[in-house]
Amino acid sequence: DVKVTQSSRYLVKRTGEKVFLECVQDMDHENMFWYRQDPGLGLRLIYFSYDVKMKEKGDIPEGYSVSREKKERFSLILESASTNQTSMYLCASRKRGAVGTQYFGPGTRLTVL
Amino acid sequence: DAKTTQPTSMDCAEGRAANLPCNHSTISGNEYVYWYRQIHSQGPQYIIHGLKNNETNEMASLIITEDRKSSTLILPHATLRDTAVYYCIVSRLSNAGNMLTFGGGTRLMVKP
Repeated sequence: DVKVTQSSRYLVKRTGEKVFLECVQDMDHENMFWYRQDPGLGLRLIYFSYDVKMKEKGDIPEGYSVSREKKERFSLILESASTNQTSMYLCASRKRGAVGTQYFGPGTRLTVL
Repeated sequence: DAKTTQPTSMDCAEGRAANLPCNHSTISGNEYVYWYRQIHSQGPQYIIHGLKNNETNEMASLIITEDRKSSTLILPHATLRDTAVYYCIVSRLSNAGNMLTFGGGTRLMVKP
């Protein structure tokens, strides 16, 4: 079974802190994604990566950056956390191809005080 | 990008079929229809996808109209564990292949 793990289920940070959210997948997938989920807004794509060191902006990249130094790991970085970044963050991975299933991690609920 | 419209919520009796509709009237010829669900406190889970033909797997059936402007996800014998938010998604192409844009989804409540 594909396994996508995220470093924390719950995280509390203060405004202005630098925050790292880590995601690891064990199925050698080329594509990895970061979403945030907020009530009434569904899931929104922040960034995705289709190969090591490759990244593309999603629909809401402002305030975020990402890092993909190894194929299995995709990190989401909040350079200076703000209260409007309080959200559920979901990581996903998928094998390269035009049609394919995205496998999601359990999510990290981040609260910025 | 094609958008989808789903009812906000639906109820279904346990053991009965759950039919979840989705409108995607602006879908393009090369865009797929995907269905995912999200059980409370978990990440979304893939259910099924299709392009033109109806599809069936161990979880559900997907019926796509001939004009492809709408589809229905069918859970043939709903159980209490099927209570979840169901997302109908129309994909879009990018360097990473088909990209998924999640909308609000339908909250399905399966009742005893």
